[in-house]
Formats: sequence, structure tokens, C-alpha cells
Amino acid sequence: GAVVSQHPSRVICKSGTSVKIECRSLDFQATTMFWYRQFPKQSLMLMATSNEGSKATYEQGVEKDKFLINHASLTLSTLTVTSAHPEDSSFYICSAEQNGYGYTFGSGTRLTVV
Amino acid sequence: QKEVEQNSGPLSVPEGAIASLNCTYSDRGSQSFFWYRQYSGKSPELIMFIYSNGDKEDGRFTAQLNKASQYVSLLIRDSQPSDSATYLCAVNTNAGKSTFGDGTTLTVKP
Repeated sequence: GAVVSQHPSRVICKSGTSVKIECRSLDFQATTMFWYRQFPKQSLMLMATSNEGSKATYEQGVEKDKFLINHASLTLSTLTVTSAHPEDSSFYICSAEQNGYGYTFGSGTRLTVV
Repeated sequence: QKEVEQNSGPLSVPEGAIASLNCTYSDRGSQSFFWYRQYSGKSPELIMFIYSNGDKEDGRFTAQLNKASQYVSLLIRDSQPSDSATYLCAVNTNAGKSTFGDGTTLTVKP
């Protein structure tokens, strides 16, 4: 089945620094990937849709200059949290869809900003 | 009104019982429907998808879809403690983007 690899699984960074999270589709090509954020005991919140070769589409309320998304190839999308602050601490998850059979999620990245 | 609604629970059932999870959606143009399971601290994993009205069975899981009532459900037979998790309902429109419900937390008690 489809496999989506996400790295790193955990990251701790200092306030004001930037963090890059990678999401790779290992055995299929993903023209579209999705980035979610999930706070403890809350639901998935879609942040943006990452489109290969074009600009990402951000959901309302998500700062595009803070959450930079790059989808340079059919198998790799990256999310960079710029100038991270403690309130950005969350569980970030990427996903991709293969052939309309539902999403495959990456394992998630737990970001802690101190 | 949320696009996809689920009872947040918690839903508690004894081991061996049937757990019934429900989901309603607002967009009549929705084409495909998915159930995901998410263990605490982990990312969601796909359990089942259903496209047509009726029932679809896979092992202990049965998905039921009623497009006229805009209702999709997941039944878990012979519930096990390992089924304790949050179950997310997701609905796709023609645009292909999934909209997720907030999830129902299920606890199966030994």
C-alpha cells in the first residue's frame, strides 16, 4: 500500500528559529499533499494544500509567510515553520492520496518550541 | 453547521460488544467516505472507505452509507481493548479534498 514518510518525528527548537519538516511519498507520486496541525485532544486542522510545481493553497487563518510550503517534486513536500514561537508547538501531520482510495498519513512531527 | 459532524463521545462499550460510530455530512455532492482510526499521539490510519449506498464489510468492521440521509456509520463487531482510539469520519467532494469530522473517542473496557 501507499507509504508516506515524514521527518523528523520530534523536534525541539528555540523560539525565533525555523524548523523544516519533510513529507515523502515512497511508492507513489503525489501531485497533491496536505498539511495538518493537531493540538492535544483536538481534531485535525487542515493548514494548506501543497501542489507540485505551484503555490500552496492555505486555509483561512493560516499565515502563509509563517508556514512556508514547497512541493518541488512529485514525491516531496516540505513545511517550514519560520520564526517559531511556543504557540506553534503542535503535532504536524502530512498526508497524500493515491487513486482516490483515501489518505495515507505520515507519522507526524511533534514540534516543541521553547 | 459543520460540514462533517460526529458525536465526540466518549463512547464506551464492553469487550466483545458492537461499537457503533455515526457521522453526518452536509454536502449532498459528496462522493466518497472514509473512516480513520487515530491512537493517542499517533497519526490517523485508514480503516475503510465506501462509495455506494449500503453496507461494506471488512473483517470486524462494517461501513454503512445512506446518501439520502447523508449519513455514514462504522460498526465494530467483537470490540477489543485495542480498538480503543479516536475514529475520524472523512468526506470527499468531487474536488477530492477530504473534510474531517472532529472524531469520536471509543473506549473498549475489558
